[in-house]
Amino acid sequence: DTEVTQTPKHLVMGMTNKKSLKCEQHMGHRAMYWYKQKAKKPPELMFVYSYEKLSINESVPSRFSPECPNSSLLNLHLHALQPEDSALYLCASSQEGSGGLNTGELFFGEGSRLTVL
Amino acid sequence: AQSVTQLGSHVSVSEGALVLLRCNYSSSVPPYLFWYVQYPNQGLQLLLKYTSAATLVKGINGFEAEFKKSETSFHLTKPSAHMSDAAEYFCAVRTEKLTFGTGTRLTIIP
Repeated sequence: DTEVTQTPKHLVMGMTNKKSLKCEQHMGHRAMYWYKQKAKKPPELMFVYSYEKLSINESVPSRFSPECPNSSLLNLHLHALQPEDSALYLCASSQEGSGGLNTGELFFGEGSRLTVL
Repeated sequence: AQSVTQLGSHVSVSEGALVLLRCNYSSSVPPYLFWYVQYPNQGLQLLLKYTSAATLVKGINGFEAEFKKSETSFHLTKPSAHMSDAAEYFCAVRTEKLTFGTGTRLTIIP
């Protein structure tokens, strides 16, 4: 099983809503990632969890709150978002934990397309 | 800091023609380089990776890339383009983080 599964595939929310994006992998990977991708742009790193601990936060606004309940699951809690937060949110995992030199590839999910009204 | 530069945001080739997508890297240490492909409304799929073993790397779907240290390049090629190759292609470099280039949109002309 080499899949990273993301739910929901599509999400529409108002600026006052609270919602969550979910990500799951069963490859035994110890690092998990959230990326944000705007149209016609490359993915931008938001957060990295290594061994279930937050290791990188790329100065993401607090209206995005990540959570890693266990080594297979990664959530992104959304609250009070702005229309400019509309984007494709990609989850990824890799075998090694972060910190130091890593050579392994990231495995990406299909993404959750978020629209904020 | 490590970075990659992709020359050409949009490349068009005829079906059956050679595909060449360019990527140059900047790195103070031996780089670990990747090519990913993204089809419309989908996530990213790994095409191939360079991790200092062989300089010519073969990937999926007939793609390959050659690592040239003297030119700091890692260009992606495919001898004969197929309509199904139309997609966005990202070159990426990894140390602690995976950093993407700006991407190249490949269009195949029938």
